[in-house]
Amino acid sequence: AAGVIQSPRHLIKEKRETATLKCYPIPRHDTVYWYQQGPGQDPQFLISFYEKMQSDKGSIPDRFSAQQFSDYHSELNMSSLELGDSALYFCASSSGTVRAGELFFGEGSRLTVL
Amino acid sequence: ELKVEQNPLFLSMQEGKNYTIYCNYSTTSDRLYWYRQDPGKSLESLFVLLSNGAVKQEGRLMASLDTKARLSTLHITAAVHDLSATYFCAVAYFTGNQFYFGTGTSLTVIP
Repeated sequence: AAGVIQSPRHLIKEKRETATLKCYPIPRHDTVYWYQQGPGQDPQFLISFYEKMQSDKGSIPDRFSAQQFSDYHSELNMSSLELGDSALYFCASSSGTVRAGELFFGEGSRLTVL
Repeated sequence: ELKVEQNPLFLSMQEGKNYTIYCNYSTTSDRLYWYRQDPGKSLESLFVLLSNGAVKQEGRLMASLDTKARLSTLHITAAVHDLSATYFCAVAYFTGNQFYFGTGTSLTVIP
């Protein structure tokens, strides 16, 4: 079965650079979630989209922005990168909101900021 | 403030032993999920618990939900080394559109 696809899987950037992560949800899933997980930490919610509209917002820095496109894929844009942004970024998708069903997670994108 | 707490945070147990991981959450919810994560890997869905009294079992793992106590448990029976991983519970609430993750329990099963 098709899963959530994230790209790139690994990314190395310098401080103050910009990075873009992409997420392709499971076919027919209309909701996308972004989570950030630092080493040894639990996943921290950044933002979610339902039917291309932002549906919830968590601890996403102002330097970050995200959107969901007409084909339901989503992109997370990160600017002015800081060392503390180094983490594993997960995208998850669901059919409907969290009230409707469970989240399925992608393999993650590992961002390293030097 | 919405909180999801797990205990213990770290668990080292011998093969063949039984143990329970606890997940407490601060606000009423009837949707609780358990995930497994191996180091550097994605989150794998283990159980979906959608009502009070729900009990699900898969192999050596059994999860239950008590919505009145705001408590879920993940019971491990006769642990084997392959169960070594970090286990997260996650809660969905009536408002908003996100999962709130617990602090995680890092389980190490010693041969």
